[in-house]
Amino acid sequence: SAVISQKPSRDICQRGTSLTIQCQVDSQVTMMFWYRQQPGQSLTLIATANQGSEATYESGFVIDKFPISRPNLTFSTLTVSNMSPEDSSIYLCSVIVGNTIYFGEGSWLTVV
Amino acid sequence: GQQVMQIPQYQHVQEGEDFTTYCNSSTTLSNIQWYKQRPGGHPVFLIQLVKSGEVKKQKRLTFQFGEAKKNSSLHITATQTTDVGTYFCAGRIGNAGNMLTFGGGTRLMVKP
Repeated sequence: SAVISQKPSRDICQRGTSLTIQCQVDSQVTMMFWYRQQPGQSLTLIATANQGSEATYESGFVIDKFPISRPNLTFSTLTVSNMSPEDSSIYLCSVIVGNTIYFGEGSWLTVV
Repeated sequence: GQQVMQIPQYQHVQEGEDFTTYCNSSTTLSNIQWYKQRPGGHPVFLIQLVKSGEVKKQKRLTFQFGEAKKNSSLHITATQTTDVGTYFCAGRIGNAGNMLTFGGGTRLMVKP
């Protein structure tokens, strides 16, 4: 199994500012994933955080808006840059251990 | 592009009634996974189906993967109030690496 801790759990942010979300896993994992879940919506993959190389972004997401760091096999950060109200979402960190996918508890961001 | 459609979007049932959510993909999936997200919580992995025609059971939950590996269903027998939440399917396309495409989810509400 895997235990994933995300910080912050919630935040209210001013538009135009940036916020960095941290994801800590209790075991070493090859890949970590960042998802976004907009209010009442499903999950959308933002990017795959690779240790030792740049993150791989999905269509519609760019590094300038969502820079990602992956300094080691247990930790990653996602920054939401220059936030607007449209960025109000739950941001979820995810890992694969064995054949099971685990999600962090999410970071609930509200941009005002 | 690849889509995974899930129906119904919402379902109200009386406690004790059965519930089914259906997931359909426009292309063949290498596997499909199901998640449950409680209100205010994060998605929790329930199960993964890999084989064509596979059926798996977890207590009152029955999961099926279609013969063509393009559809799946989750059936809950005799719902309880603890079953409340949103159920998501997520499919992996054969050559899409680790990317999961999530269905829109079915929100289940159970009246006691």
